[in-house]
Amino acid sequence: NAGVTQTPKFRILKIGQSMTLQCTQDMNHNYMYWYRQDPGMGLKLIYYSVGAGITDKGEVPNGYNVSRSTTEDFPLRLELAAPSQTSVYFCASIRGGAPEAFFGQGTRLTVV
Amino acid sequence: RKEVEQDPGPFNVPEGATVAFNCTYSNSASQSFFWYRQDCRKEPKLLMSVYSSGNEDGRFTAQLNRASQYISLLIRDSKLSDSATYLCVVNRNNAGNMLTFGGGTRLMVKP
Repeated sequence: NAGVTQTPKFRILKIGQSMTLQCTQDMNHNYMYWYRQDPGMGLKLIYYSVGAGITDKGEVPNGYNVSRSTTEDFPLRLELAAPSQTSVYFCASIRGGAPEAFFGQGTRLTVV
Repeated sequence: RKEVEQDPGPFNVPEGATVAFNCTYSNSASQSFFWYRQDCRKEPKLLMSVYSSGNEDGRFTAQLNRASQYISLLIRDSKLSDSATYLCVVNRNNAGNMLTFGGGTRLMVKP
C-alpha cells in the first residue's frame, strides 16, 4: 500500500513550457486534491475531484488543468509555465466520511 | 480576511516548555477541524482532530470554541522533535469535502 505517489519530485521548467504532474493513490479514495504551497505560506487549493469523471476549480485554478479518468489517477497539467507557478505542489486524497487527508511527498517546481 | 488565520511565529521555546497555538476561522459553516504537522520540506500529516469537547493525545491537547470560531493546540513538555510547522485546517464537509489550511505556525524547540 503505497498511499499517494507523486512524480516527479523536482522539475525545472522554462517560461512557456508545459508539463504534467502525476498523482496516483492506491487507497480507493473518492476525493482527490491538488494544492500549491509557496514559501512560508499555507496550502492553496488548485483543483479537486469528488470521483472519476468529476473535477472542479479550487481557489487558484488559473494556469492549470486536471482530469480524473480513473479513481486512482489525478494528473495536474501546467500549460505555458510562468515564474508565478514556482511552488511546491501537493496531491492529496480523502476517503469520504473520514477526517484524514493523505498527501504525496510533493513536487518542487521552479519556472525560470 | 483569510478563511483560516494563524500567528506565523516562529515560536522559539526551550525543551520542556509548554506552548500554545491559536487559530481563528471565518466561515461559520465549517464543520470539522484539525491540526496537521508539517516538517521542513515534507508533506503535511494529520496530528489530531479537534472536537468541541476538547481532546488530548499524550502531550497534545486541542480545543474548539465554535461560538468564537477559535481553535487551539497546547503542547506540554516540548521535545526537540516537536520542531515543525503546525497547520490549522478546517473542512466545511460540503460536496467537495475540501480542507482549507491556515498559513501555519512554526515551532522551534531548543535544547
